[in-house]
Amino acid sequence: EPEVTQTPSHQVTQMGQEVILRCVPISNHLYFYWYRQILGQKVEFLVSFYNNEISEKSEIFDDQFSVERPDGSNFTLKIRSTKLEDSAMYFCASTIGLTDTQYFGPGTRLTVL
Amino acid sequence: ELKVEQNPLFLSMQEGKNYTIYCNYSTTSDRLYWYRQDPGKSLESLFVLLSNGAVKQEGRLMASLDTKARLSTLHITAAVHDLSATYFCAVDKGRTGNQFYFGTGTSLTVIP
Repeated sequence: EPEVTQTPSHQVTQMGQEVILRCVPISNHLYFYWYRQILGQKVEFLVSFYNNEISEKSEIFDDQFSVERPDGSNFTLKIRSTKLEDSAMYFCASTIGLTDTQYFGPGTRLTVL
Repeated sequence: ELKVEQNPLFLSMQEGKNYTIYCNYSTTSDRLYWYRQDPGKSLESLFVLLSNGAVKQEGRLMASLDTKARLSTLHITAAVHDLSATYFCAVDKGRTGNQFYFGTGTSLTVIP
């Protein structure tokens, strides 16, 4: 069964460094998402992406964040200068249609020291 | 800012019992989603509710949406241990795409 994959599973970085989190959505899906979840807290929406551009983003998704679909298969989230409060689990998801079932990747745990 | 509240936050129930989780939201929306998350795991989509009066059922779970009351419910029938997880609702307020606002989550423990 097709699945969403994410790499790495765990990323440790120093404050101020840039990180890139990678996702491979399901191949025929058209809509892509990033979420984050600080340990023990609720899930927070970051951004939705369609047709090679951002369709919606949350207040969290400021200038430090960017997304890209560089090659038609990967979907990446870049954090330019990480802060301690960026430490969280980051989930990627994809769906074939705007209101269809989303499929989530296993997540990347980002630890900022 | 749109607020999404779930209650209860924690729910401990015995196997075989019924219970309802409530999801209230503060502004109008016609699209509401329910998700399940097992401890230490990713999210799993359960239901997408797209209009007032929508009702969907899968196994022992049934979700409904009342957009006038800004309320969605997730009803659990004859709970079993495998349903133990955290359940999140999320309201979609996107105009050109999806923009989700999540509830705080309800941690459900089903006791044998």
